[in-house]
Amino acid sequence: NAGVTQTPKFQVLKTGQSMTLQCAQDMNHEYMSWYRQDPGMGLRLIHYSVGAGITDQGEVPNGYNVSRSTTEDFPLRLLSAAPSQTSVYFCASRMTPGETQYFGPGTRLLVL
Amino acid sequence: AQSVTQLDSHVSVSEGTPVLLRCNYSSSYSPSLFWYVQHPNKGLQLLLKYTSAATLVKGINGFEAEFKKSETSFHLTKPSAHMSDAAEYFCVVSGYNTNAGKSTFGDGTTLTVKP
Repeated sequence: NAGVTQTPKFQVLKTGQSMTLQCAQDMNHEYMSWYRQDPGMGLRLIHYSVGAGITDQGEVPNGYNVSRSTTEDFPLRLLSAAPSQTSVYFCASRMTPGETQYFGPGTRLLVL
Repeated sequence: AQSVTQLDSHVSVSEGTPVLLRCNYSSSYSPSLFWYVQHPNKGLQLLLKYTSAATLVKGINGFEAEFKKSETSFHLTKPSAHMSDAAEYFCVVSGYNTNAGKSTFGDGTTLTVKP
């Protein structure tokens, strides 16, 4: 098992550009989530999904879109990048709500 | 609704002395509780979890935590700190049967271990 994979590892964007952060898992987990990590603030939930075709907003959803067409993939789209979106982004998956989340290695995003 | 408060943003201990990282939680439902560790520029690794079984939970690397419902606490302890324990620690609450898919992270505690 590869677990949870994320691409790219690092990305530099200019303000206003769009991009998609990729996340995939091979554990057949129903629940997937996207977090951002900023210094001193822990991880904050952006969007999450409880299964293919079902997504919902977390704490900080503005400026981000998600979709879940398959169980394996959960891409995060930045519609128009802003410097405030400079952060480290983590994708996670788990089988059920109360179970352990498995995290990807993260994507470091810098918006200039 | 659920929330997590990590009571100390920084904890400094000497190598070989005990570690205590404090976490209080709030949840409308029976929660699952987790501690994760993050070493510098690394991903998150699960230390231990509580999911309504035994209230004293043992994890990896000698860490353990005790779930105290009356105090809504889930403090992380280790009898003897090692230099390799220096890292960021996160307490996490997740609804077990409700609030599906949502986990709430504390702001983290930075553990420094002095030689």
